[in-house]
Amino acid sequence: DAGVIQSPRHEVTEMGQEVTLRCKPISGHDYLFWYRQTMMRGLELLIYFNNNVPIDDSGMPEDRFSAKMPNASFSTLKIQPSEPRDSAVYFCASSPLRGRAYEQFFGPGTRLTVL
Amino acid sequence: QQQVKQSPQSLIVQKGGIPIINCAYENTAFDYFPWYQQFPGKGPALLIAIRPDVSEKKEGRFTISFNKSAKQFSLHIMDSQPGDSATYFCAASSHGSGNTGKLIFGQGTTLQVKP
Repeated sequence: DAGVIQSPRHEVTEMGQEVTLRCKPISGHDYLFWYRQTMMRGLELLIYFNNNVPIDDSGMPEDRFSAKMPNASFSTLKIQPSEPRDSAVYFCASSPLRGRAYEQFFGPGTRLTVL
Repeated sequence: QQQVKQSPQSLIVQKGGIPIINCAYENTAFDYFPWYQQFPGKGPALLIAIRPDVSEKKEGRFTISFNKSAKQFSLHIMDSQPGDSATYFCAASSHGSGNTGKLIFGQGTTLQVKP
């Protein structure tokens, strides 16, 4: 398997623009997580899905952030409008439901810079 | 109560030394304690994990020591190598009824192993 795939790997945008980050989880994994990583705040869980259904979005910083998972193989995290303080590395991770269910497999991340 | 506190923030050791990273938690419902390793430009990857029914787990040069009564756990890296230079995150989660294993991460420790 190719692992968790994220795109784009780098995104530079201007304040006020819409940003869409994409994630393809590992096939067969039932959980999908979106994280944000910054030097100041470390790794923060933003939202996670189980079988395409959002379970906990309490980490989403504000209404400018939204996430969807239209099917088992694709998820998006959207920021509209973007602000400089959204600059961070965003990770997507997936996890299987059974077996080694607790291990989360992280993608390579998307480095977002908002000017 | 959902926090996991990690220390030190950074650590420098000589090759062959034994760096020790410590974590503490409050939530007694946590029942799974993984450590993740992150290299620059990469996503975190599971290194080793322990459950509270054992006090120690070894995998190669990596050992987790777990003290349930003190609510603390630590990572020891035996015979550390320059290739171990990375950021290490401890984490905790609970998998009781209604819980789905959301990971709570510590702040991370940047380890540098000097040749």
